[in-house]
Amino acid sequence: DIVMTQTPLSLPVTPGEPASISCRSSQSLFHSDDGNTYVDWYLQKPGQSPQLLIYTLSFRASGVPDRFSGSGSGTDFTLNISRVEAEDAGVYYCMQRIEFPWTFGQGTKVEIK
Amino acid sequence: QVQLVQSGAEVKKPGASVKVSCKTSGYTFTGYYMHWVRQAPGQGLEWMGWINPSSGATYYAPKFQGTVTMTRDTSISTAYMELSRLRSDDTAVYSCARMNYDSAFDIWGQGTMVTVSS
Repeated sequence: DIVMTQTPLSLPVTPGEPASISCRSSQSLFHSDDGNTYVDWYLQKPGQSPQLLIYTLSFRASGVPDRFSGSGSGTDFTLNISRVEAEDAGVYYCMQRIEFPWTFGQGTKVEIK
Repeated sequence: QVQLVQSGAEVKKPGASVKVSCKTSGYTFTGYYMHWVRQAPGQGLEWMGWINPSSGATYYAPKFQGTVTMTRDTSISTAYMELSRLRSDDTAVYSCARMNYDSAFDIWGQGTMVTVSS
């Protein structure tokens, strides 16, 4: 199975400041046939189901604010929040879907100071 | 609007089975694959597999092969996930998630808590 490793596991952030979460995969998530990189990002707010933020490396899901962006290549990926807001608190997960079984990172808990 | 509404919490004894339902509305049920994901208390997300509601074809993560069965009833736009031979470490919130045309999970159910305890 592809192992997804996120860092840090906990991230205290100040509103208005930027934040960055890293995710590393044990194998490349780049699909040479179509040129896509199959990593997605989800946010699970307290007491809620996860919600899609970013799909296929860098595409923002519908309704997601443009302060969220995804980047990276091969095995190293980053979720950036340009200016954190209070509503961004929760646990962020990366997920790979280039190979079954699809696997998630262990999660990064973002706490607003 | 698009909704996935799951059945209520369950308490089961070890060795028993549980069947969780995921009733959909607001879209064409047979047009989108449905996946199942679970989350043990205080833990991360674990992908279990998918069902194609149109054909009934399924794919299960190797860890769950032999214990999970995903089915659907197209007449009532509902997907089901049945887990058998339950163990205490199957205690988790089980969620259905719709896979959109970009192959990402765009809509999630509210989750169903399954507790396995003697």
